[in-house]
Amino acid sequence: AQTVTQSQPEMSVQEAETVTLSCTYDTSESDYYLFWYKQPPSRQMILVIRQEAYKQQNATENRFSVNFQKAAKSFSLKISDSQLGDAAMYFCAYRSPYNNNDMRFGAGTRLTVKP
Amino acid sequence: GAVVSQHPSRVICKSGTSVKIECRSLDFQATTMFWYRQFPKKSLMLMATSNEGSKATYEQGVEKDKFLINHASLTLSTLTVTSAHPEDSSFYICSAKSGRGQYNEQFFGPGTRLTVL
Repeated sequence: AQTVTQSQPEMSVQEAETVTLSCTYDTSESDYYLFWYKQPPSRQMILVIRQEAYKQQNATENRFSVNFQKAAKSFSLKISDSQLGDAAMYFCAYRSPYNNNDMRFGAGTRLTVKP
Repeated sequence: GAVVSQHPSRVICKSGTSVKIECRSLDFQATTMFWYRQFPKKSLMLMATSNEGSKATYEQGVEKDKFLINHASLTLSTLTVTSAHPEDSSFYICSAKSGRGQYNEQFFGPGTRLTVL
């Protein structure tokens, strides 16, 4: 079974600065999807960014970008120009194209943004 | 993006009673729905996957007789916690995926907080 590891339980960043959240995963599949989700205090899961494994180009969404290293099975999230609203739990997730496409989550990283 | 709702958002019940949680896809047809459980300050753990019109597939360690899942229509799935006990207290999140293609995005509901006294 696939596993997702987030080694940073907590991270903090100064407002307007840049922060990188780490994620590694273990899989024997060659085709899959990776996601970063944000869970604010409301507990609503919000998709931040997604990456298809077959794409070599790193995904970007405004201030959010990823560093996808397929060989190393690494998928880190970079948040640029951090804002107070970025404070939340961030979950890295893996989705297999098989087995009903279910999604597996890492343990999460709690991001604090300091004003 | 598409909207997934859950009802109720919070429920408190006595030990031994059953509680039903509804998950609805409001503006799309969800062929597959997922139910997750999240303990405080923990990650989401997949409980079961249900496809419309068929029986749910439960993850290892999840009691199917305790957590009854019904996906009777393309817009509604229900999770019934039967004979609830305090250890069942948790945050339950549903997620819905449209279509059967592997590229379709998964949308999450806002969650239901269950407290069993």
